[in-house]
Amino acid sequence: GENVEQHPSTLSVQEGDSAVIKCTYSDSASNYFPWYKQELGKRPQLIIDIRSNVGEKKDQRIAVTLNKTAKHFSLHITETQPEDSAVYFCAALHGQNFVFGPGTRLSVLP
Amino acid sequence: SAVISQKPSRDICQRGTSLTIQCQVDSQVTMMFWYRQQPGQSLTLIATANQGSEATYESGFVIDKFPISRPNLTFSTLTVSNMSPEDSSIYLCSGGTSGGQETQYFGPGTRLLVL
Repeated sequence: GENVEQHPSTLSVQEGDSAVIKCTYSDSASNYFPWYKQELGKRPQLIIDIRSNVGEKKDQRIAVTLNKTAKHFSLHITETQPEDSAVYFCAALHGQNFVFGPGTRLSVLP
Repeated sequence: SAVISQKPSRDICQRGTSLTIQCQVDSQVTMMFWYRQQPGQSLTLIATANQGSEATYESGFVIDKFPISRPNLTFSTLTVSNMSPEDSSIYLCSGGTSGGQETQYFGPGTRLLVL
């Protein structure tokens, strides 16, 4: 089955700095990789995703990169703001199910 | 994107009882799933809810403990049966599509406390 690892587990950055979260997956057949942001007490919300036929996708301050050969993908947040503070989960589509990483708690310090 | 609602939003239950959680989506999604999320942890898939047939359960989850129904494309229920304090968790449903457009959206979750 699929295994998704995520690093770091916690990340603190100063407001305005960049944050990078990295995930690796084990099944080379996985072809869709979403990222979710979960604020305290709220549902996970899809913030960006990438499919295996592209290497990078950007949406304003958020970007995701994918290296299929190395089986890893990363979330990049630039110009971080306090409202970016949350837990971020990566996931990989394995068959018809998603396998989630363990999450990264991001704190953006004012 | 699909809008997904769940009820109840939270409940406190006595051990040995059962609770049924309802999930409604506003569009005809192909796939519906049920997850459990322990405090501070990631999402663990319980099962895939299949329309008109038995759900597909992940390892460690069984139908007798977590019976699931999905009578139509937009509605599903999860029952947590014969509850114990270890069942205290957040239960989330999600809906999405398959066949190349696999975006998945989550409901707000049901926070369950078993005493």
